[in-house]
Amino acid sequence: GAVVSQHPSRVICKSGTSVKIECRSLDFQATTMFWYRQFPKQSLMLMATSNEGSKATYEQGVEKDKFLINHASLTLSTLTVTSAHPEDSSFYICSAREGEKLFFGSGTQLSVL
Amino acid sequence: ELKVEQNPLFLSMQEGKNYTIYCNYSTTSDRLYWYRQDPGKSLESLFVLLSNGAVKQEGRLMASLDTKARLSTLHITAAVHDLSATYFCAVDMAGNKLVFGAGTILRVKS
Repeated sequence: GAVVSQHPSRVICKSGTSVKIECRSLDFQATTMFWYRQFPKQSLMLMATSNEGSKATYEQGVEKDKFLINHASLTLSTLTVTSAHPEDSSFYICSAREGEKLFFGSGTQLSVL
Repeated sequence: ELKVEQNPLFLSMQEGKNYTIYCNYSTTSDRLYWYRQDPGKSLESLFVLLSNGAVKQEGRLMASLDTKARLSTLHITAAVHDLSATYFCAVDMAGNKLVFGAGTILRVKS
């Protein structure tokens, strides 16, 4: 079945630094990928839709300058959390669609100290 | 704005018992998904429901969709400890975005 690979699985960084998270579709092409954020014991909230070859579409309330999304190829989308602060600590999950199914990456636990 | 309400939010079940999780949504949609999440892990796809009256079963789990009532159910039959996890429903809105319910934490006690 289709697989979405996400790296890293866990990252700890200092406040003010930037962190890049990669999301790859391993055996299919994904013109669109989605980035979600999940706080502890809460549901997933869509942050943005990543579109191959064009600008990402951000959900209301998500700062596009803080969460930079690049979708340079049909198999790779990246999310960069710029100037991370402790309130950005969260579980970030990407997903990509193949046919009728949405597949999710394994998630990235970001902890900002 | 699409809203997805899931209940109950917490479910403590005894092994061998049956129970149902409900997922209501506020606007028309063609697709509804059920996912399982274990602590610290990502989402595992359980079911994709594509049409009114759709029913799918896998092991002790059965999901159904009533698009007229905007309701989906996830029925658990003869619960076992391995089913302990958080279960999410998610509704596909325009643009292929998913709106998730709040999740149901399921704990199966022996």
